[in-house]
Amino acid sequence: GAGVSQTPSNKVTEKGKYVELRCDPISGHTALYWYRQSLGQGPEFLIYFQGTGAADDSGLPNDRFFAVRPEGSVSTLKIQRTERGDSAVYLCASSLTRASDTGELFFGEGSRLTVL
Amino acid sequence: QKEVEQNSGPLSVPEGAIASLNCTYSDRGSQSFFWYRQYSGKSPELIMFIYSNGDKEDGRFTAQLNKASQYVSLLIRDSQPSDSATYLCAVKARTGGFKTIFGAGTRLFVKA
Repeated sequence: GAGVSQTPSNKVTEKGKYVELRCDPISGHTALYWYRQSLGQGPEFLIYFQGTGAADDSGLPNDRFFAVRPEGSVSTLKIQRTERGDSAVYLCASSLTRASDTGELFFGEGSRLTVL
Repeated sequence: QKEVEQNSGPLSVPEGAIASLNCTYSDRGSQSFFWYRQYSGKSPELIMFIYSNGDKEDGRFTAQLNKASQYVSLLIRDSQPSDSATYLCAVKARTGGFKTIFGAGTRLFVKA
């Protein structure tokens, strides 16, 4: 596709359940980011992939959160034992990382997670 | 201290005025600086990027960078109601493999 695709766009779940959020980046973009955005706040960094490996996962709030990108393209953010405080919009972004690139991030439309 | 700090606003300016948005950052090794605009319910989109000290102009937008003061600003000239949005300052920090960190954003209202 032309842009970053995120699914599902909306997810309502119950406290304690497991959730997976998927991100399909722009073809050829080697960098992939996950951010979490709560109402009235800026995007909060969670994890950043370069290719298949997590270059920085320091933003993951605790061990309930995990993300993978096994083939260097699609990524899945996994949240175990969801809590009400996990409710937010989860944004995925991708970018090129050549030295000549601007470093611009291209965002998907986000996955809105509501934990009841 | 937050890595990227912005005044949350809201900042309200009349149509046609200059809107001035400010941002400070903590990592002196940061190399790239960005301003994103986010309309309510939408995802952020890039407006400007700047790498070098000084000013960079693009249409009605001017980004200003002062690395010594660790300060970035965005000026919007001839503000329009359609400029009403949240403006996010973002910094590509050297630590942590050059990840991009965002500020909390400044809400701008342009009154017609």
